[in-house]
Amino acid sequence: DAGVTQSPTHLIKTRGQQVTLRCSPKSGHDTVSWYQQALGQGPQFIFQYYEEEERQRGNFPDRFSGHQFPNYSSELNVNALLLGDSALYLCASSTRGVTGELFFGEGSRLTVL
Amino acid sequence: DAKTTQPPSMDCAEGRAANLPCNHSTISGNEYVYWYRQIHSQEPQYIIHGLKNNETNEMASLIITEDRKSSTLILPHATLRDTAVYYCIVGSSTGTASKLTFGTGTRLQVTL
Repeated sequence: DAGVTQSPTHLIKTRGQQVTLRCSPKSGHDTVSWYQQALGQGPQFIFQYYEEEERQRGNFPDRFSGHQFPNYSSELNVNALLLGDSALYLCASSTRGVTGELFFGEGSRLTVL
Repeated sequence: DAKTTQPPSMDCAEGRAANLPCNHSTISGNEYVYWYRQIHSQEPQYIIHGLKNNETNEMASLIITEDRKSSTLILPHATLRDTAVYYCIVGSSTGTASKLTFGTGTRLQVTL
């Protein structure tokens, strides 16, 4: 039973470029959340997707957008990259309506030069 | 979501119990207490959660005070592999359980 998988694991971009990160949730999960973790900080909630719609959003600008597909996988898109977007991007999956554990992927480490 | 307060760092000798405190004085009635940890360079790992009763699983015990304004995570026999940042999080129950507000956590150092 595969857990949460993310791709790519590492990538380097330059300022102004756009990036797409991908996430496949744990089998049986229907809700995907994305988090940004800057160096030395705790993860910060970006948004949550359920039934292919953005359900909740954290304090992130519109440059951050996402998508969820019918198979529950998800993408995180960041436009007009800034140096401050350099971080570890974590995907977490869960089942809506079930309280408890969030399962995190190993993350995608983005470096913006 | 309610805010939590944790000490920035703690030390514990290997084999001893590690007791990690957390204050959440503004917790509301339907909010759960979650504990996660993050070992260096790895993803956050769920430990335990609870609403009002004490909880125990194979990893740890969670003690929540009767007024729910504070809690303690107990690792009964800490090992070197328990060295990590431990996050105490207060979050809503079903439906929004995936929106967790991580603070800066407690950095637990387990030593020989």
